[in-house]
Amino acid sequence: GQQVQQSPASLVLQEGENAELQCNFSTSLNSMQWFYQRPGGSLVSLFYNPSGTKHSGRLTSTTVIKERRSSLHISSSQTTDSGTYLCALERTEGADRLTFGKGTQLIIQP
Amino acid sequence: GGIITQTPKFLIGQEGQKLTLKCQQNFNHDTMYWYRQDSGKGLRLIYYSITENDLQKGDLSEGYDASREKKSSFSLTVTSAQKNEMAVFLCASSPGTGNSDYTFGSGTRLLVI
Repeated sequence: GQQVQQSPASLVLQEGENAELQCNFSTSLNSMQWFYQRPGGSLVSLFYNPSGTKHSGRLTSTTVIKERRSSLHISSSQTTDSGTYLCALERTEGADRLTFGKGTQLIIQP
Repeated sequence: GGIITQTPKFLIGQEGQKLTLKCQQNFNHDTMYWYRQDSGKGLRLIYYSITENDLQKGDLSEGYDASREKKSSFSLTVTSAQKNEMAVFLCASSPGTGNSDYTFGSGTRLLVI
């Protein structure tokens, strides 16, 4: 089965609303990383977050290893936040590669 | 700061053709990766390399070859392009096992006609 599951698959919000993206994993991990990808663009690392909570501007990432989940919260969303958000984990076994979820497509409408 | 560069940005090939994609990084990272991204399927690992001249197969290695000529470069070859194939190939690098901060290139977009 799929080791990394992201939800929702897509999310449409109005500008100013908060977004909550989830990532659940079925395997033990060394680390969790969140990426942002514009349509047709490269992946930009948002957070390298093995555990706990990290903040960066309007973004917050929380990883709870015992519960095998990680979340990305975007507060006061802007149209420029639109794009695909990917979570990826580095497994404890095979700790030299990332395993990606299928991503959440976020659309922020003006 | 460093940079990871993929060439070409766009690649149009013909069915059956051998196609080579290149990736260069100046982070002095040990490990480099090639991922394929298809719509609706996320990223899948093709090959990776933990040091110069090392090659490790990923989940999607069939139909591909790779070469780590030197620490800073990692190339990927599509051995026989499949008609109507369309995907994005992403190169990445990281300092190595135990230090998992990955950096990605901007991608090579492949279209096979």
